[in-house]
Amino acid sequence: KNEVEQSPQNLTAQEGEFITINCSYSVGISALHWLQQHPGGGIVSLFMLSSGKKKHGRLIATINIQEKHSSLHITASHPRDSAVYICAVLNFQGAQKLVFGQGTRLTINP
Amino acid sequence: EAGVTQSPTHLIKTRGQQATLRCSPISGHTSVYWYQQALGLGLQFLLWYDEGEERNRGNFPPRFSGRQFPNYSSELNVNALELEDSALYLCASSGRTRTWTQHFGDGTRLSIL
Repeated sequence: KNEVEQSPQNLTAQEGEFITINCSYSVGISALHWLQQHPGGGIVSLFMLSSGKKKHGRLIATINIQEKHSSLHITASHPRDSAVYICAVLNFQGAQKLVFGQGTRLTINP
Repeated sequence: EAGVTQSPTHLIKTRGQQATLRCSPISGHTSVYWYQQALGLGLQFLLWYDEGEERNRGNFPPRFSGRQFPNYSSELNVNALELEDSALYLCASSGRTRTWTQHFGDGTRLSIL
């Protein structure tokens, strides 16, 4: 079993829909990243969370440390949101490496 | 502020050759991380350098190696290239802050023919 599991693996929706991508992890973490990867490979860091909730524009990320679960929400989705969204967890205790989920491929149709 | 820069953007090699990939971190960042994203697979941690020293290594064979220079830039070297080494190699950098937030470059796409 992977240390970081994302669901769904693929998600297709219509423009304007509310999108939720989930991430569950099995290890103790110090922080969790949500990353966005567009075709061609470039990665953008969207959020880094260690507790609670963060919002940036139409993107909202939440984390529940006790349940070892995080969600990424996109409101009023747009075709330009089409990308792979990756959850990654960081453990500060000596390892200093990110462990990545497999990613969720999101396609927003106009 | 310039972001993390990687070169080259694309690199084509044949089996058995050696490849060198380069990464320049954000100014002021002392840590550089290397990741591999093979086709159809998720990102995997390769190497972490901090202050010129290798601090941690992922589950990759010894033919994957690297170094960090005094200016904190880094090289990733892959020897005896194999077909399965074809992948996107991403570099990230972070500073010595409480959060160690990593900032990613655009990657080098390595193709092995």
